[in-house]
Amino acid sequence: EPEVTQTPSHQVTQMGQEVILRCVPISNHLYFYWYRQILGQKVEFLVSFYNNEISEKSEIFDDQFSVERPDGSNFTLKIRSTKLEDSAMYFCASGQVSGANVLTFGAGSRLTVL
Amino acid sequence: DQQVKQNSPSLSVQEGRISILNCDYTNSMFDYFLWYKKYPAEGPTFLISISSIKDKNEDGRFTVFLNKSAKHLSLHIVPSQPGDSAVYFCAAHRRGATNKLIFGTGTLLAVQP
Repeated sequence: EPEVTQTPSHQVTQMGQEVILRCVPISNHLYFYWYRQILGQKVEFLVSFYNNEISEKSEIFDDQFSVERPDGSNFTLKIRSTKLEDSAMYFCASGQVSGANVLTFGAGSRLTVL
Repeated sequence: DQQVKQNSPSLSVQEGRISILNCDYTNSMFDYFLWYKKYPAEGPTFLISISSIKDKNEDGRFTVFLNKSAKHLSLHIVPSQPGDSAVYFCAAHRRGATNKLIFGTGTLLAVQP
């Protein structure tokens, strides 16, 4: 069964450092997302991406965050200068069509900011 | 702003009995609801969904009920199995939006053998 692959599974970084989280979405999907879950809290939407541009972003997704699809297969989330409160599990997801539909999630990348 | 709420952080049931997980929402613009299951160290996995034009959807042991007037949905698992033990998230999609989902806080289901 097709799956969304995320790397790394766990990254530990110092506050202020840049972090890049990588995702390989399902190959025929056109809509890509990043969500995050701070420990013990709900899964929160960060950003959606379609046709090589951001289609929607949440208030969490400030100037420290960016996304890109550099080579047609990888979908990356960059945090320019990490803060302690960025520590969370980051989930990549992809979907085939627009509108309400099932999203397929990756296993997540755990980010720990010290 | 908790538009999707799961008020029970945990639920414990005996194997073979029914598990009922509840979810409440506040936004009447939601048009599609989904349940995801999540095991530790894994991403959420889609379980079952329901459109706002329906009041019930069934898939094997899993049934989702939607009560639009009460802005409430529930997931029934019968019979419950130990392998069902996981965190269950309710999620909703808003009409006219991109297909981002708004999640509840999750309910940890423990099915006791």
